[in-house]
Amino acid sequence: NAGVTQTPKFQVLKTGQSMTLQCAQDMNHEYMSWYRQDPGMGLRLIHYSVGAGITDQGEVPNGYNVSRSTTEDFPLRLLSAAPSQTSVYFCASSYSILVAGGPETQYFGPGTRLLVL
Amino acid sequence: SQQGEEDPQALSIQEGENATMNCSYKTSINNLQWYRQNSGRGLVHLILIRSNEREKHSGRLRVTLDTSKKSSSLLITASRAADTASYFCATAREGAQKLVFGQGTRLTINP
Repeated sequence: NAGVTQTPKFQVLKTGQSMTLQCAQDMNHEYMSWYRQDPGMGLRLIHYSVGAGITDQGEVPNGYNVSRSTTEDFPLRLLSAAPSQTSVYFCASSYSILVAGGPETQYFGPGTRLLVL
Repeated sequence: SQQGEEDPQALSIQEGENATMNCSYKTSINNLQWYRQNSGRGLVHLILIRSNEREKHSGRLRVTLDTSKKSSSLLITASRAADTASYFCATAREGAQKLVFGQGTRLTINP
């Protein structure tokens, strides 16, 4: 199993450009989430999904969109990039929280480093 | 806002010593999780402890949970240079679908 994969590994954008960060998992996990990590900080939740077709906002959703058309994929879209979105983005997945009653062990991807000029 | 707050923010010890990190949180939780992050890498899960558990062990790791004080500690015994990393606690609030991370403790093991 590849686990959680993220592409690209590194991206440079100009202010106002849009792009999609890709995330895929092959563990048949229902729960997927996106975090951003700024220097010296912990992770802040952007969006999450408890299953295909269901998404919800985290702590810092503004400027980002998500969709979940399949169990495997959870892309994150930056609508109009801003310098404040310069960060490292992590995707994570875990098995169904509906069974466990809450988020369980998260499996993280390697991250995407985004620089917005 | 951050649910979990780690203490200390940074810790530097000699190889072979024990390292203790603490995490405090504000609301009732379903579980609390500890993760390790090596520089520039993704996070790796260490231990999950549920609200009805008080202590868990995994190899050289020992996690305690005190729900009355809303706090948890992570103890790493007989530290090694490879334990140098940032350690994060994350809490799953009761009834919530989100996992909230603290800002982490930066641990440095000196040879």
